[in-house]
Amino acid sequence: DQQVKQNSPSLSVQEGRISILNCDYTNSMFDYFLWYKKYPAEGPTFLISISSIKDKNEDGRFTVFLNKSAKHLSLHIVPSQPGDSAVYFCAASVFNNDMRFGAGTRLTVKP
Amino acid sequence: EAGVAQSPRYKIIEKRQSVAFWCNPISGHATLYWYQQILGQGPKLLIQFQNNGVVDDSQLPKDRFSAERLKGVDSTLKIQPAKLEDSAVYLCASSLAGNSYEQYFGPGTRLTVT
Repeated sequence: DQQVKQNSPSLSVQEGRISILNCDYTNSMFDYFLWYKKYPAEGPTFLISISSIKDKNEDGRFTVFLNKSAKHLSLHIVPSQPGDSAVYFCAASVFNNDMRFGAGTRLTVKP
Repeated sequence: EAGVAQSPRYKIIEKRQSVAFWCNPISGHATLYWYQQILGQGPKLLIQFQNNGVVDDSQLPKDRFSAERLKGVDSTLKIQPAKLEDSAVYLCASSLAGNSYEQYFGPGTRLTVT
């Protein structure tokens, strides 16, 4: 049962432009959502998160938006930099347990 | 601060053989997780420990997989006997107790079963 879905396996953007990565979920009980970033041969690293009681969280160039009615969240990166090229995973959790991950989106930022 | 350590980084075995992976979490992190990441998919939680007790092992194939965290620090994950479909990256993660939303991952062990 794929409760967290990232429907775009890849995304390519130009340096300096906005990157928008999308994620959909099916379980309305999820109360916390996270984005992880993964470089080759490394484990995922935490990037940014949002609680279900909020609709936006911002950290520097990274902003996560949550639309609970649509069961959709997105990660915006502005401006995109070549070092942002990585695989981005969306994840969701219920009451601190059983975190579910999407399949990931590979972002390529071209100089 | 040292990160999550895992070994080995790579392992190739034949089907029906056994294999073990080791993880040492970040010092002070009470919660430890093992994930399986099959190529093209996101990580899937296999087991979650709080200190040396199991919190969740609902997705662990218990007929062939086992894990332990005897002293509440490092942990081992074992597969016996391995199947072809066990080929994956096995990720270990840890978090502070009470804040398991933010997990810190190790580099993973890439297992190939032939």
